Amino acid sequence: RKEVEQDPGPFNVPEGATVAFNCTYSNSASQSFFWYRQDCRKEPKLLMSVYSSGNEDGRFTAQLNRASQYISLLIRDSKLSDSATYLCVVSSLSGTYKYIFGTGTRLKVLA
Amino acid sequence: DAGVIQSPRHEVTEMGQEVTLRCKPISGHDYLFWYRQTMMRGLELLIYFNNNVPIDDSGMPEDRFSAKMPNASFSTLKIQPSEPRDSAVYFCASRRVAGGGTDTQYFGPGTRLTVL
Repeated sequence: RKEVEQDPGPFNVPEGATVAFNCTYSNSASQSFFWYRQDCRKEPKLLMSVYSSGNEDGRFTAQLNRASQYISLLIRDSKLSDSATYLCVVSSLSGTYKYIFGTGTRLKVLA
Repeated sequence: DAGVIQSPRHEVTEMGQEVTLRCKPISGHDYLFWYRQTMMRGLELLIYFNNNVPIDDSGMPEDRFSAKMPNASFSTLKIQPSEPRDSAVYFCASRRVAGGGTDTQYFGPGTRLTVL
């Protein structure tokens, strides 16, 4: 079983739609959680960190469920520019700085 | 800030040749990471350094791969000899932890390696 698992998609949604991605992780001792965004043929860039209480950044909402070991990302009012691959990232044990990346969920927002 | 700089951006080589990938991290960052990305396996951590010292190289696939960081502003990833299955995009990333740094890893643009 992979340490971080994501549905690869693609998710094809119309502009203005709300879309949600989930990610599960296997190591219950994981400390930090993130969503990165990667555009085609570009490098990954941090979209947002995920906090235990949940957090929001504009149209993006991230949630963490430690009991079930999953992370979610909700995108409201999708824009064409949101089309990208979204990578779920989990840190390994405390005291190290290894990030484990999921293979990503591909989103395509259609006009 | 210039961001993380990688060179070359594209490399095409023949099986058996030596390949050297280069990375200049963001100034002041104390951690440097090398990743490999393929469609099948996604983004995999190969090795990371703290203050130029290798901390964890458990992701390095085999002895054909080696990495060095001779100083705070330069690192290399070498593959010798290269094989077609090494074809991938190799990313370098850096991060500042000391002195209240953030969780953010900043990635370079990557080197797209093709081994024929």
